[in-house]
Amino acid sequence: EVQLVESGGGFVHPGGSLRLSCAATGITFSNYAMSWVRQAPGKGLEWVSVISGSGGSTQYADSVKGRFTISRDNSKNTLYLQMNSLRAEDTAVYYCAKVSSGGYYDAFDIWGQGTMVAVSS
Amino acid sequence: DIQMTQSPSSLSASVGDRVTITCRASQGISNYLAWFQQKPGKAPKSLIYAASSLQSGVPSKFSGSGSGTDFTLTINSLQPEDFATYYCQQYNSYPPTFGQGTKLEIK
Repeated sequence: EVQLVESGGGFVHPGGSLRLSCAATGITFSNYAMSWVRQAPGKGLEWVSVISGSGGSTQYADSVKGRFTISRDNSKNTLYLQMNSLRAEDTAVYYCAKVSSGGYYDAFDIWGQGTMVAVSS
Repeated sequence: DIQMTQSPSSLSASVGDRVTITCRASQGISNYLAWFQQKPGKAPKSLIYAASSLQSGVPSKFSGSGSGTDFTLTINSLQPEDFATYYCQQYNSYPPTFGQGTKLEIK
């Protein structure tokens, strides 16, 4: 069974940093692109970032470009999101999502349970 | 960015009913359209990809159709576990964008 488990969320002051992790089991991790999607309290889903299966290509939403960095360690079957210069508007549940192929342009098929990030003074 | 607009934003229905949710893209996206179900406090669950293909394990009571700019999700014979919020999402071009969601409530 494919499983994605996020960790690393928490409370941080504006301007602070956090690193989220997403551990994958049940798949050949390097075969699949992976994405982060977030959901602010009471709001809809917002795509954040994607990384190719090899880790060689990445893309970001304009709202996080230059502040967030997506990466992966295929030897550890783990996806990361380094979040710097956090703002109140980054407060959300962050989900990792598996893309159904190695490239970007495909559907999400598996989601993690999410990890909450709260940014407040 | 491609804007995705769902209608209605909320919908009341009874157990046993059939409902249809519509999703419209601001420009053509071929069939690069997915549907997700989300229950309160839970992660989204993938239902449909490529506009009409069911994800593994999703019951056939869910069906999707459409191409280009107009898409529908139909749920037959509603059961209590189907009451949730449903989102469409385009993955034709980056950034992927979601509809605002349709909350399906019990009448």
